[in-house]
Amino acid sequence: GAVVSQHPSRVICKSGTSVKIECRSLDFQATTMFWYRQFPKQSLMLMATSNEGSKATYEQGVEKDKFLINHASLTLSTLTVTSAHPEDSSFYICSAREGGGLISYEQYFGPGTRLTVT
Amino acid sequence: AQKVTQAQTEISVVEKEDVTLDCVYETRDTTYYLFWYKQPPSGELVFLIRRNSFDEQNEISGRYSWNFQKSTSSFNFTITASQVVDSAVYFCALSDYNNNDMRFGAGTRLTVKP
Repeated sequence: GAVVSQHPSRVICKSGTSVKIECRSLDFQATTMFWYRQFPKQSLMLMATSNEGSKATYEQGVEKDKFLINHASLTLSTLTVTSAHPEDSSFYICSAREGGGLISYEQYFGPGTRLTVT
Repeated sequence: AQKVTQAQTEISVVEKEDVTLDCVYETRDTTYYLFWYKQPPSGELVFLIRRNSFDEQNEISGRYSWNFQKSTSSFNFTITASQVVDSAVYFCALSDYNNNDMRFGAGTRLTVKP
């Protein structure tokens, strides 16, 4: 299957700072990327969907000014957690999908980034 | 709205036992996809299966098997002769036919004891 990477795999930052997480599709062009958040012992919750070259669509309850998503190329999407607070500590997982429209393509998941805000 | 229910929060079995993980879903779509993923302690999701709503055939892959029953909106997962390495959290998920809007169940934590 296709490979999706995330960087960093773990990050610790101080409260009030911003942190950027990268999601890359390594061997395919991802027209759509998805960002999920998973709190400890909970399920994955979709945060936002981003299509290359356009603004991300955020799920209800997700602050778009706090979680900035950029999908500037077909192989890279970034999630920036701005002014992070301890409650933002979570496991962030991205997925990437090529194609779209009427044709259904697989979502491939990255390995996740564990963010700890102190 | 799409919804996935995994009623079993935790299951503990002894090695070599068979175990079935339940998944019930709700959707208004007539076409959709169902998935199972395994999440070991490392956190990385491991894809196990994708099934489209048109295909109700049961599937077997080694010790794994899946039972898709559209009439009861269920997509259950059975591990035969469980092994310690099967210990993980298992998620059932549902997406629309364009593979957007993927919704995950709460997950079932399976512990297989030696």
